[in-house]
Amino acid sequence: DTAVSQTPKYLVTQMGNDKSIKCEQNLGHDTMYWYKQDSKKFLKIMFSYNNKELIINETVPNRFSPKSPDKAHLNLHINSLELGDSAVYFCASSQERGGLADTQYFGPGTRLTVL
Amino acid sequence: AQKITQTQPGMFVQEKEAVTLDCTYDTSDPSYGLFWYKQPSSGEMIFLIYQGSYDQQNATEGRYSLNFQKARKSANLVISASQLGDSAMYFCAMRETTDSWGKFQFGAGTQVVVTP
Repeated sequence: DTAVSQTPKYLVTQMGNDKSIKCEQNLGHDTMYWYKQDSKKFLKIMFSYNNKELIINETVPNRFSPKSPDKAHLNLHINSLELGDSAVYFCASSQERGGLADTQYFGPGTRLTVL
Repeated sequence: AQKITQTQPGMFVQEKEAVTLDCTYDTSDPSYGLFWYKQPSSGEMIFLIYQGSYDQQNATEGRYSLNFQKARKSANLVISASQLGDSAMYFCAMRETTDSWGKFQFGAGTQVVVTP
């Protein structure tokens, strides 16, 4: 069974379009995250939700909007896509919020290409 | 400012040899956690090992061990008996207690290529 799954795995779209990436975890975790990995492989957190509540909102353009319908799902909607949004987006989950040893488990990533 | 520094952008290692990946960190928190992840070419992020700042012993997980030197603020990953499947990007990450929301900060990564 896949612990953290994301759909789609690849997403190719035109500038200006709106797209969504879905994430689901079956680990029973309380906290979920979105990360962006740029072309240099640098990983940066974008958002985090704990039990459907937004707890981390980094400096991300407001074209990006996360939505958590329940604690097992965290979706990422992106409006008016720009070339610079091309990246790999990772969803992750962890058992609790902020425990030092609380490991984050990552999904397989979604490679977004904006043309 | 970058809190996690991985100074080796890439390295080659021969199969069956050990390799050490450097990671230094910057924090004034007395309590923090350090993590290593592996990202193979297929793209997924795989958790390898965790070290807490108060842990008395260096963490080990199979062929992975963490050489934790608190005073030097370093948490180097040692992979023993390298295998071809160890070829991947390796990331060091830190979580601080001041960040109660559990945010990870990642280093830039080290690309490891294991050669036969």
